[in-house]
Amino acid sequence: DVKVTQSSRYLVKRTGEKVFLECVQDMDHENMFWYRQDPGLGLRLIYFSYDVKMKEKGDIPEGYSVSREKKERFSLILESASTNQTSMYLCASSSRDRDYFGPGTRLTVT
Amino acid sequence: GENVEQHPSTLSVQEGDSAVIKCTYSDSASNYFPWYKQELGKGPQLIIDIRSNVGEKKDQRIAVTLNKTAKHFSLHITETQPEDSAVYFCAADPGAQKLVFGQGTRLTINP
Repeated sequence: DVKVTQSSRYLVKRTGEKVFLECVQDMDHENMFWYRQDPGLGLRLIYFSYDVKMKEKGDIPEGYSVSREKKERFSLILESASTNQTSMYLCASSSRDRDYFGPGTRLTVT
Repeated sequence: GENVEQHPSTLSVQEGDSAVIKCTYSDSASNYFPWYKQELGKGPQLIIDIRSNVGEKKDQRIAVTLNKTAKHFSLHITETQPEDSAVYFCAADPGAQKLVFGQGTRLTINP
């Protein structure tokens, strides 16, 4: 079975802190994605990557950056966390058209 | 770019009845339409999908229909059971290997 793991299920950070969210997949997928999930807004794409060291902006990249140094790992970085970045963050990797999601990280910024 | 609208946002049905969730999309280039189910505390999981060369697809109690002319697709769940309670998301792929998701529907099955 494909497994996508995220480093934390719950995270509480203070405004202004630098935050790292880690995602690892074990199926050698080329494509990896970071979404945020908010009630009534569905899943919105923050950044995605089609290959190592490659990144593309999604629909809401402002305030975020990403890193993909190894194929299996895709990191989301909040350079200076703000309260409006309180959300559920979902990582996914994909094989052709099917996305496999991790369990999510619920981030609270106070 | 692609825009996906999903309705209703919440749906409550009696156990054993049918549930229907509808989505519309804007980009006629979209050719792949998956549906995801998200249970409490978990990430979304693919439950069924359909491609633009097919009008309907069924998998046991779940079916999806696609109307390319009208740019809408629907999820049908028959003989609903308590374990069907979850949040459901539709999505569309306009061909860029990335999905655009609807807003989600919280389905509650009442015993």
